[in-house]
Amino acid sequence: DTGVSQDPRHKITKRGQNVTFRCDPISEHNRLYWYRQTLGQGPEFLTYFQNEAQLEKSRLLSDRFSAERPKGSFSTLEIQRTEQGDSAMYLCASSLPQGSSGNTIYFGEGSWLTVV
Amino acid sequence: KQEVTQIPAALSVPEGENLVLNCSFTDSAIYNLQWFRQDPGKGLTSLLLIQSSQREQTSGRLNASLDKSSGRSTLYIAASQPGDSATYLCAVALTGGGNKLTFGTGTQLKVEL
Repeated sequence: DTGVSQDPRHKITKRGQNVTFRCDPISEHNRLYWYRQTLGQGPEFLTYFQNEAQLEKSRLLSDRFSAERPKGSFSTLEIQRTEQGDSAMYLCASSLPQGSSGNTIYFGEGSWLTVV
Repeated sequence: KQEVTQIPAALSVPEGENLVLNCSFTDSAIYNLQWFRQDPGKGLTSLLLIQSSQREQTSGRLNASLDKSSGRSTLYIAASQPGDSATYLCAVALTGGGNKLTFGTGTQLKVEL
């Protein structure tokens, strides 16, 4: 078990470019979550999947953001036409469903995005 | 809407001191509460998870308590060490909320030699 892994760890992009982040959850976890964190703040929920189904999206997730989990394993988060306000750390997490024994949520190391 | 508040925002203590971090939440219909540690520029490390039916959890020098009725949790750190310096985040999951977490803004702890 290698934990939750995210790639890339750091990304600097010019405003208007598209970026994509990848997350590989803990293998037996069927729940996968994306959060965004800015400096000095706690993480904010963006979206989550159970297997390949995207069950909820936050209002924070504008139409420039899209997340997928095509085979119920890894997930991607794409941001189109990036803006400076998108600069943040994007955190991925995984867990077993609510109601399972031991439903601790495990986070990856995050992907830092800087839009210049 | 669930709101989570952490007090104090920052704390500096000498090594060896016992300390308490506070977390409060507005909606008591929680499924569980989780404490995390975050080092600068890093992801979150889970420290303790307390189910809504539990009153406390312990791991090593850490003890977390939960009082659902008053909407409060505390994280107690015994015999603090410089390696405990980090930001500590409290997060709650609502019942039926898909295990989605609402976070506080954290307490930044510095333990000095």
